[in-house]
Amino acid sequence: GIQVEQSPPDLILQEGANSTLRCNFSDSVNNLQWFHQNPWGQLINLFYIPSGTKQNGRLSATTVATERYSLLYISSSQTTDSGVYFCAVITGANNLFFGTGTRLTVIP
Amino acid sequence: GAGVSQSPRYKVTKRGQDVALRCDPISGHVSLYWYRQALGQGPEFLTYFNYEAQQDKSGLPNDRFSAERPEGSISTLTIQRTEQRDSAMYRCASSLGVGKSTIYFGEGSWLTVV
Repeated sequence: GIQVEQSPPDLILQEGANSTLRCNFSDSVNNLQWFHQNPWGQLINLFYIPSGTKQNGRLSATTVATERYSLLYISSSQTTDSGVYFCAVITGANNLFFGTGTRLTVIP
Repeated sequence: GAGVSQSPRYKVTKRGQDVALRCDPISGHVSLYWYRQALGQGPEFLTYFNYEAQQDKSGLPNDRFSAERPEGSISTLTIQRTEQRDSAMYRCASSLGVGKSTIYFGEGSWLTVV
C-alpha cells in the first residue's frame, strides 16, 4: 500500500516562530488533506490541496503532486497551534490514508 | 446536519459484550468512512461506503467488526465480543463525492473495554 511519511515527527517552537512541516507519499494520489488534531482530540480539516498552493490566515500549504510531497507552513505560531498535524491522501481506490503525524508544541 | 455526528461519545463496556457505534454524516454526503485511532497513533482506515454500498472493508481487523449503512445515510459500526485491544477512538468521516472533495470528521467515539 501507499506510504505516507511526515517530518519532523516532533517540533518545539517558541511562540511567534515559523515552521514548515513536510509530507512525502510513495504513489500518485487523487486528493491530499492536512488536518490538525488539537489537544482535545478533535480532528480539524485545514486544507484540501491535491495540487498547488492555498493560504488561510497564518497557514498555507503547497502540494507538488508530480514530486509526491506536500508542505504545510505555519507562520507566527501561537500556543493554540499545538497538537498533531496529519496529512492524509486518497488513492485511486478512494481510501484515505493518514501519515505518521508531526507533534507540534508551541511554548509561550 | 451541520457536521458529522457520532454517538455515543464515550462508551465503557465489559469484555465480551457487543457494542454499536453510530455515525450520522453531513446531509447529502455520499461517501462515509470509519477509522480507528489508538492513543498516540494516527487514524487507521477500517472501511468506507458510497451510498449504501460498502466499497472497501479491507481495514476491518477481524470478523468481529462489521459496518452497515442500509439507507445510504446513517451508519453503524458493530464490534462483537469486545476485547481490551479494541479500546480506541473510533472516528467517522463523510464527503460529498468519492475521493474528490473535502472529507470531514466527527468528534469520535471513545471506546474503553474493561
